[in-house]
Amino acid sequence: QSVLTQPPSVSGAPGQRVTISCTGSSSNIGAGYDVHWYQELPGTAPKLLIYANNNRPSGVPDRFSGSKSGTSASLAITGLQAEDEADYYCQSYDSSLSGGVVFGGGTKLTVL
Amino acid sequence: EVQLVESGGGLVQPGRSLRVSCRVSGVSFADYVMNWVRQAPGKGLEWVGCIRSKAYGGTTEYAASVKGRFTISRDDSKSIAYLQVNSLKTEDTAVYYCSRGRIRDGYCSYMDLWGKGTTVTVSS
Repeated sequence: QSVLTQPPSVSGAPGQRVTISCTGSSSNIGAGYDVHWYQELPGTAPKLLIYANNNRPSGVPDRFSGSKSGTSASLAITGLQAEDEADYYCQSYDSSLSGGVVFGGGTKLTVL
Repeated sequence: EVQLVESGGGLVQPGRSLRVSCRVSGVSFADYVMNWVRQAPGKGLEWVGCIRSKAYGGTTEYAASVKGRFTISRDDSKSIAYLQVNSLKTEDTAVYYCSRGRIRDGYCSYMDLWGKGTTVTVSS
């Protein structure tokens, strides 16, 4: 059970907008630590999607965006495409945990 | 071409040890954090630990689940990071990924490059 809570699954039709939440607490997101997002396509290694709350690495489409407020963060995907079907993970730092780095439990995105 | 290539995985009996390696090429190594992240079959990502660059003392951090059993090291001259895993348990069975990471206010932060992983299976 991670200290960062994500919904197990979300779904949307092509072209739609979906959001994935990442809920933390006062020892991680609420303490001001950055939130990062990763995409794991089936059978492949994770890939950095959003870093430091709302920054996209080079090559990531602007259909992907991140936000953070209070003890939560969100990943939004607009213009949903079939190739977006993947597992998505948030990651942050928690001052109460050994080592501090923590991933959310992951969210499976299904494109209908 | 940027590559992070893990090696050294395999089938190991419970209680035994293993060393997994991550060779980095095509990109800077010495100035960055190196992380190890694992993924058990059908499960999510679990951060294992990180090692800072020498500029930050080359110090390590570990998740509570592996602290005292796992050791991360690095050889900047060879651009290789290592994960020594001791006293293996069946629950350590996972794909082990190495990833290049960034530092933020002294702590291990996000991971911008990942290898394809190596599988460690702990079974008798």
